[in-house]
Amino acid sequence: EVKLLESGGGLVQPGGSLRLSCAASGFTFADFYMSWIRQSPGKAPEWLSFIRNKANSYTTEYNPSVKGRFTISRDDTQNVLYLQMNTLRAEDTAIYYCAKHSDGGYFDYWGQGVMVTVSS
Amino acid sequence: DIVMTQAPLSVSVTPGESASISCRSSKSLLHSNGITYVYWYLQKPGKSPQLLIYRMSNLASGVPDRFSGSGSETDFTLKISRVEAEDVGIYYCGQLLENPLTFGSGTKLEIK
Repeated sequence: EVKLLESGGGLVQPGGSLRLSCAASGFTFADFYMSWIRQSPGKAPEWLSFIRNKANSYTTEYNPSVKGRFTISRDDTQNVLYLQMNTLRAEDTAIYYCAKHSDGGYFDYWGQGVMVTVSS
Repeated sequence: DIVMTQAPLSVSVTPGESASISCRSSKSLLHSNGITYVYWYLQKPGKSPQLLIYRMSNLASGVPDRFSGSGSETDFTLKISRVEAEDVGIYYCGQLLENPLTFGSGTKLEIK
């Protein structure tokens, strides 16, 4: 059974940083692309970033809305996906999900999400 | 960015009846490889989104065949036949043709 478990969320002040983790199990993590997606209260999901697998050189893509502030990475030895978030703003307040990409590229599994609140 | 526009904002359906949700993209989602990169997700109350339909018309694993997807290059429809109480939630379309990957604003399905 595929499981994705996010952690690392919480309350942070504007301008602060946070690193989210996503522990994966139930599939060969190293073989698949992985994404971070967020959802502000009452809003649609917003894709943030994905990281390709080793076969594709771990290259990354970002939504322009977070490019330069957020960094995605992965540790295939520990089956963990990360999102480093810097210079956080109030509008970054949201539930953050990690999602696994299928072989076809679409998001076939999502984690349960972790809440990030940016407020003074 | 490719904008995904959904309609209606909400729909109220009697159990056993059908419901249709529309999604329009600001750009053709038909790739030269013949694949149309539109997807449908359902977010049940308090849960993460779950995949229903991939590549416009393919049913995801474990999804009842009451759900079906269809469309053209820019106009897409999710149809739910014989709606059940468990189908309540917010339905989102999304595109994976190009970055940034984008979602529609959602359609809330309620049961009468």
